[in-house]
Amino acid sequence: EAGVAQSPRYKIIEKRQSVAFWCNPISGHATLYWYQQILGQGPKLLIQFQNNGVVDDSQLPKDRFSAERLKGVDSTLKIQPAKLEDSAVYLCASSLLVGTGELFFGEGSRLTVL
Amino acid sequence: AQSVTQLGSHVSVSEGALVLLRCNYSSSVPPYLFWYVQYPNQGLQLLLKYTSAATLVKGINGFEAEFKKSETSFHLTKPSAHMSDAAEYFCAVTDSGGYNKLIFGAGTRLAVHP
Repeated sequence: EAGVAQSPRYKIIEKRQSVAFWCNPISGHATLYWYQQILGQGPKLLIQFQNNGVVDDSQLPKDRFSAERLKGVDSTLKIQPAKLEDSAVYLCASSLLVGTGELFFGEGSRLTVL
Repeated sequence: AQSVTQLGSHVSVSEGALVLLRCNYSSSVPPYLFWYVQYPNQGLQLLLKYTSAATLVKGINGFEAEFKKSETSFHLTKPSAHMSDAAEYFCAVTDSGGYNKLIFGAGTRLAVHP
């Protein structure tokens, strides 16, 4: 069974530039999550999708971050414009059942903002 | 809202020694509790999960954790450390909201030396 795929693995940009991350969850997993993991901290949930609807985006900085999940499968997370404090690893995860806490994570996309 | 506290951001043990990673949660209602492990340059993977069926939970790679309601703790242990156990370990709890999102602790980095 293929795992959660993410790209790119690494991205370096200047502040005020834009960046997009892509995620393909495990086939059949209806729930998709984007987490932000800043160095030295635990992952923080940015947004949770159930199929292609958003069920939690309470910690997403909506003035600069956006995410979509078209057709209930792949998802894209965009940052525009980026700030220095956005430097982090962006983790995508998926789960078969919502609320079980059993998430499958991708390897993450490491963003460095200079 | 739920929160998780992991005592000790770094723990170092000798190969063959006992591993003890500490986790305390804040909740008056017993939540679902988890330990996830993150090996270098990889995504997080589920180590074990507590869902109220049994207070002692066994996970992969010889790890286990004990739920103690009176202490609001869920410490992770392994009788004998192996070099391959070197990784970052995250304790997590499900939030009490409708979709039970996962709240992570800050993590504990485990080093195992010969």
